[in-house]
Amino acid sequence: EIVLTQSPATLSLSPGQRATLSCRASQSVSSSLAWYQQKPGQAPRLLIYDASTRATGIPARFSGSGSGTDFTLTISSLEPEDFAIYYCQQRSNWPPWTFGQGTKVEIK
Amino acid sequence: QVQLQESGPGLVKPSETLSLTCTVSGGSISSYYWSWIRQSAGKGLEWIGRIYSSGNIVYNPSLTSRVTMSIDTPTKQLSLKLNSVTAADTAVYYCVDYMDVWGKGITVTVSS
Repeated sequence: EIVLTQSPATLSLSPGQRATLSCRASQSVSSSLAWYQQKPGQAPRLLIYDASTRATGIPARFSGSGSGTDFTLTISSLEPEDFAIYYCQQRSNWPPWTFGQGTKVEIK
Repeated sequence: QVQLQESGPGLVKPSETLSLTCTVSGGSISSYYWSWIRQSAGKGLEWIGRIYSSGNIVYNPSLTSRVTMSIDTPTKQLSLKLNSVTAADTAVYYCVDYMDVWGKGITVTVSS
């Protein structure tokens, strides 16, 4: 089973700042990595798939990069609605698809 | 737009069977595949398994001995059964379609 390690656990930033979230896989997942956003009381929402492709309706301020074992989700300029928990998920080696433990982006 | 609604008991006793239903509306249940994912405070997000409209099923190896998934096409419902539950199975359970549309989730607590 592939283990995904996200860092940092918590990111404290102000609106308008740039957020950089990391996800590292225990073995190569090629480009088969997705990013999700989850707000309290809601289901996760797909932001990025195939490492860098934005899902339908996702704003351009969200971008993903990386391949192999190291991936990054960047939010270019944080909007108030972006403060949430972000998860990465690998879709390469399954079963099972696995998730990272999450990075919380909180208001500083 | 497909909508998914999970339903079932919110409280299950240890060693019993957890049974959940996911009702599909606004789309065809014969489309591709459906997944169940759960989220707990202890283990985070955990993929349970996937069931294809063809009937093929893939389970998480860690749960395969206890889990059963099925599709009922006439009623447009998916079913998840997890037997011999323990407190570790306490979680929010989600059904998810192939386009990554998620249900709102249902909280299931395992407790006597």
